[in-house]
This record gives sequence, C-alpha cells and structure tokens, in this order.
Amino acid sequence: EAGVAQSPRYKIIEKRQSVAFWCNPISGHATLYWYQQILGQGPKLLIQFQNNGVVDDSQLPKDRFSAERLKGVDSTLKIQPAKLEDSAVYLCASSSVTGFWEQYFGPGTRLTVT
Amino acid sequence: QKEVEQDPGPLSVPEGAIVSLNCTYSNSAFQYFMWYRQYSRKGPELLMYTYSSGNKEDGRFTAQVDKSSKYISLFIRDSQPSDSATYLCAMSARGAQKLVFGQGTRLTINP
Repeated sequence: EAGVAQSPRYKIIEKRQSVAFWCNPISGHATLYWYQQILGQGPKLLIQFQNNGVVDDSQLPKDRFSAERLKGVDSTLKIQPAKLEDSAVYLCASSSVTGFWEQYFGPGTRLTVT
Repeated sequence: QKEVEQDPGPLSVPEGAIVSLNCTYSNSAFQYFMWYRQYSRKGPELLMYTYSSGNKEDGRFTAQVDKSSKYISLFIRDSQPSDSATYLCAMSARGAQKLVFGQGTRLTINP
C-alpha cells in the first residue's frame, strides 16, 4: 500500500514570497490533515478536510495561508506572503473517517524562509 | 498553559534499559490517547492507542492512562538502538476527531 506522498521535500524562499505544498493521501482515506511542526515542537493542526469539505481550520492563519482539496483526493497548502516564522516542516496526514486516531503521515516538506 | 505538556528531554539511556516517557494534560474531555514515534526527517507513525483509562501492552511497549491524575505514560522494555527517535504523545476529545500533540521527547538508546 502506497503511503502519503508529499512534494517538494525541501523548499527555501525569501520572506514575502509565496510557496505551495502538495499532498496525495492514502487511497480511500476521506480525512486529510495539514500540520505545521516547528523545530523542537510537536505537530500543530492547521486544517482538516473530510472529503473536499473543511472540518476544522481554526488554527490556520487565514490572512496568509490557504488550502484546498479538490475532488476529495489531493490537497495543496499555500503560503502567501511567507514570514520568517513560517520556517517549519509541513506534514500532511490522512486517516479513515472512523479511525482518526491512526493518522498516516507523509515525510513532510521542510520550509526555510530567509 | 498548554493543553498537553511533555518533557522534551533529550533522554539518553543504555541498551536494555527500561524507558519511561510521560505526558500530562489539562483538558478533562480527552478520551483518546496515542503515542506516535518520529524518526529523524520522517513523519510520525502510530505506536500505541488507548481509549479512556487503563493499560495496554504491545510487545516491548506498554501504555498507561491515569485520567484521575491527567497523566499518561509509555514504557519501553529491553530498549534497542532502533528505538532511538522522538516520541510524541497525542490526545483527542470525544467527537473532536483531531489530535493535540505534546512537544515530543527525544530518546537515544546507546549500544
């Protein structure tokens, strides 16, 4: 079974630039999550989708972050404009609707904002 | 105050030792308790899952939940160098369907 795919794996941008991350979840998983993990901290949920609808985006900085999940499969997370404090690993995870505690994570995208 | 507190370590122990990792929490609505393991430059992976209070054992790993004290633990017996990783506790309230993670404890098992 293929795991959660993410790209790119690494990205370096200057502040005020924009960046986009892509995620392909495990086939059949209706729920998709985007997390931000700052160095030395645990993952923080940014947004949760069920199929193509948003379940929770309470911690998403909506003035600069946006996310979409077209057709309920792939998802993209965008930051525009980026700030220095956005430097982190962005993790995508997926789960079945009834098994939310068992989330399968991708390898993450390591973003450095200079 | 953070909802979930976890000592970040780092923790370094010799091979074969018993390891104890702990988290405390403040939200009494938490009902689901998980331990995830994260190797360097990888995403977390689920290690143990417990619903409500009690103990759960899986091979060398034992998870304990004490809801009265708002305290959870993960014990690793006969620790191996391959257990070297960051261990993240995670919790969720009934109906919330989202996880709140601790800071993670970085563990090193020395051969």
